[in-house]
Amino acid sequence: GAVVSQHPSWVICKSGTSVKIECRSLDFQATTMFWYRQFPKQSLMLMATSNEGSKATYEQGVEKDKFLINHASLTLSTLTVTSAHPEDSSFYICSALSPYEQYFGPGTRLTVT
Amino acid sequence: EDQVTQSPEALRLQEGESSSLNCSYTVSGLRGLFWYRQDPGKGPEFLFTLYSAGEEKEKERLKATLTKKESFLHITAPKPEDSATYLCAVQAGGAQKLVFGQGTRLTINP
Repeated sequence: GAVVSQHPSWVICKSGTSVKIECRSLDFQATTMFWYRQFPKQSLMLMATSNEGSKATYEQGVEKDKFLINHASLTLSTLTVTSAHPEDSSFYICSALSPYEQYFGPGTRLTVT
Repeated sequence: EDQVTQSPEALRLQEGESSSLNCSYTVSGLRGLFWYRQDPGKGPEFLFTLYSAGEEKEKERLKATLTKKESFLHITAPKPEDSATYLCAVQAGGAQKLVFGQGTRLTINP
């Protein structure tokens, strides 16, 4: 099956700093990747759709200047949380489209202190 | 607006006790309905895709079915390792993105 990895699996950072999360498709090429966040005991909330070589499409209410997405290659998309605050603490999950199903990474737990 | 509603929110079963999870949807132009399994602290694991009413798919103790308004995930003779949150999602219209339901937390007691 299609495998998606994320790095790091968890990260703790101080308020005001930036954090980068990587999402890689390991055994397939993905022109489209997605970024979600998930709060405890809640479902996944789509943040943005990332297309290789073009600007990401953000969902309503998601600050594009705060959550920077780069999809520079067919196997890598990155999410940078800029000037992180405690309310940004969450579980961030990426997925990649192959070719019609979305395969998810294992998630990244971000804690902002 | 596309909507997905899953029921029940939580379900506890004894090992071997079969049951079904429900996913009701309201969408404009269903392209696909997806079932995922999610364990605590992990990303969702793909289970099934259903594309048209009447379609059924099976994997081990799980069977997914689809009608024009809802999908069922039947679990037969479940084991404790089937305990997880089961997520339903739809893809509609021309969009590639998925709209998720709130999930059903399934617990199988030994």
